[in-house]
Amino acid sequence: GAVVSQHPSWVICKSGTSVKIECRSLDFQATTMFWYRQFPKQSLMLMATSNEGSKATYEQGVEKDKFLINHASLTLSTLTVTSAHPEDSSFYICSAREPPGRNQPQHFGDGTRLSIL
Amino acid sequence: SQQGEEDPQALSIQEGENATMNCSYKTSINNLQWYRQNSGRGLVHLILIRSNEREKHSGRLRVTLDTSKKSSSLLITASRAADTASYFCATGGPFNAGGTSYGKLTFGQGTILTVHP
Repeated sequence: GAVVSQHPSWVICKSGTSVKIECRSLDFQATTMFWYRQFPKQSLMLMATSNEGSKATYEQGVEKDKFLINHASLTLSTLTVTSAHPEDSSFYICSAREPPGRNQPQHFGDGTRLSIL
Repeated sequence: SQQGEEDPQALSIQEGENATMNCSYKTSINNLQWYRQNSGRGLVHLILIRSNEREKHSGRLRVTLDTSKKSSSLLITASRAADTASYFCATGGPFNAGGTSYGKLTFGQGTILTVHP
């Protein structure tokens, strides 16, 4: 089945550091990928939709300059948390929708746990 | 914002029993999907049901969809300790013009299922 790889799985860094998270579709091409954020014991909140070759679409309330998204190829999207602060600590998960068509499931990476000290 | 609500928030049963989780949503949809999440991991797609379908089976899973009531249920039969996880419903669509909603999923709050051996 379709596999999405997310890296790194765990990051601890100092406040002010920028952190890049990669999301790769391993066996299919994904023109669209999605980035979510999840707080402990809560559901997933969509942050942005990553579109290959064009700008990402951000959800209301998500700072574009804070969470930079690049989708440079059909198999790779990156999320960069710029100048991270403790309040950015969270579990970030990416997903990619398996083509073709509308009624296809999304396949998720294993998530990245980000801890900002 | 979250589309729907799941009920119950937590469910604790014994191995061999059936587990039923319910999901309600608010807007029109193209499909509804159920996902499973083990603690600290990404989501695993379980089953997708289209808006024109009423019931779908996959192994020990049975999903129903009632679009008139805007609700869905997930039934896990003959549960096992390994079924212990959080279960989320997610609605997809409608896929209208504009593109920004294309492929987006909106997640429910989730049900934490604990199956005791």
